[in-house]
Amino acid sequence: DADVTQTPRNRITKTGKRIMLECSQTKGHDRMYWYRQDPGLGLRLIYYSFDVKDINKGEISDGYSVSRQAQAKFSLSLESAIPNQTALYFCATTAGDLISTDTQYFGPGTRLTVL
Amino acid sequence: GDSVTQMEGPVTLSEEAFLTINCTYTATGYPSLFWYVQYPGEGLQLLLKATKADDKGSNKGFEATYRKETTSFHLEKGSVQVSDSAVYFCALNGRDMRFGAGTRLTVKP
Repeated sequence: DADVTQTPRNRITKTGKRIMLECSQTKGHDRMYWYRQDPGLGLRLIYYSFDVKDINKGEISDGYSVSRQAQAKFSLSLESAIPNQTALYFCATTAGDLISTDTQYFGPGTRLTVL
Repeated sequence: GDSVTQMEGPVTLSEEAFLTINCTYTATGYPSLFWYVQYPGEGLQLLLKATKADDKGSNKGFEATYRKETTSFHLEKGSVQVSDSAVYFCALNGRDMRFGAGTRLTVKP
C-alpha cells in the first residue's frame, strides 16, 4: 500500500462549490504539506503543518484552508472554488528530524477541474 | 525570497546520450538542494540531494554538485535510457520548500 494517499484522484466541480481534498499517510511523519502544480510554474506551497496544532501559510494560501485532524490526516479545502484553482494538487510529508535536509514524500496527486 | 530557476524544456535525447539539466538558485543562508523526478501519472519522488557546498548527490547514474560560488545544482547523467523519460524538478529547502518549473525529458530509442 502507498505511504501517502490522496482522495479523490480526480474531481470536476463548478464555480462556487466547496471542495475538500484529503490526504492520509502511514509513514508516521509529523510534517505535512499541500502543493499545487501548474504547467510552467512547478510546485507552489499552499499550507504546511508541523504537527496537529501547528498550521502555517505557504506561498499561495489565499482561497484555501486546511485542517489537520490527526497526525496522519491533512485536508485541504476550497471554500468557494474558482476556475483558476484548476490544477494538480499534491500532499507531501517529511519526518521533521532535520528540517532543511528532509526528503519530501509525495502522494499521487489530485487533479481538480473547476468549471 | 528564495527561488529556483531551471532549464526550460522539453528536452529530447536519443538513448545513451549525455544529459545536463541546468538549475540555479537564489537563497539567503545555506539551503539544501534537491532533484525530484515525476513519472507520468505519479507524484514526485526524490532523485538525489546535497546539503552543503561542494557536496555531490548521486543516484541511478544521475549526479549533481552543490556549487555555492555559482549558486548552481546542475543535473547530469552520462548515458540516458528510455526509462529516464520524466519531468525533473530542482528544489531548495531554506525557510521553506521552493521548486523550479520542471523540465520534461523524453528519451527516444
